Amino acid sequence: EVQLVESGGLLVQPGRSLRLSCAASGFTFEEYAMHWVRQAPGKGLEWVSGISWNSGSSGYVESVKGRFTISRDNARNSLYLQLNSLTGDDTAFYYCAKGSGVRWEHNSLDSWGQGTLVTVSS
Amino acid sequence: QSALAQPASVSGSPGQSITISCTGTSSDVGAYQYVSWYQHYPGKAPKLMIYDVFKRPSGISHRFSGSKSANTASLTISGLQAEDEADYYCSSYASSSTLVFGGGTKLTVL
Repeated sequence: EVQLVESGGLLVQPGRSLRLSCAASGFTFEEYAMHWVRQAPGKGLEWVSGISWNSGSSGYVESVKGRFTISRDNARNSLYLQLNSLTGDDTAFYYCAKGSGVRWEHNSLDSWGQGTLVTVSS
Repeated sequence: QSALAQPASVSGSPGQSITISCTGTSSDVGAYQYVSWYQHYPGKAPKLMIYDVFKRPSGISHRFSGSKSANTASLTISGLQAEDEADYYCSSYASSSTLVFGGGTKLTVL
């Protein structure tokens, strides 16, 4: 059974940084693209970033380009999201999701974690 | 890249069929066969219901079906059941090299 467990979410001040982690199990992690998706309070889902199986390619939503960095460690079956220069608009539940293929593009997200809450406030 | 357009809410009685639309542009829904649909119960992990426009993952009921015409994709749920009451989101790959979601539709089973 695929399991994705996010961690690292907490209350942080505007302008600060945070790193989210996602521990994966139940599948061959290195063979699949991975994604981060967020949901702000009372809002819908928003794709944040995706990374290919070998870290060779990644993509970001425009609003986080230059501030967020996605990465993965296939030896540790882990996905990461580095969040810098945080603003109130980044307050959301952040979900880790498994892609259906090796590339992050042209993917469906076939398994999701329960999410971790990031709150940006002074 | 703007969010795909979905109705905010739809409703139906048990046993009925409902359809949720997802309207994009020729740069996303209309350009690719990479439309997916997700079911989301608040506080839970979203669940993939349909991928590549009309394909069902293993274990998903045949009551769920997907289609696409031009820039609009659709999710149809037949034989509505109380457990179908949830939020539903469409998504598509976009030519701007992103994935884009719809705004979400709240399904109420009357």
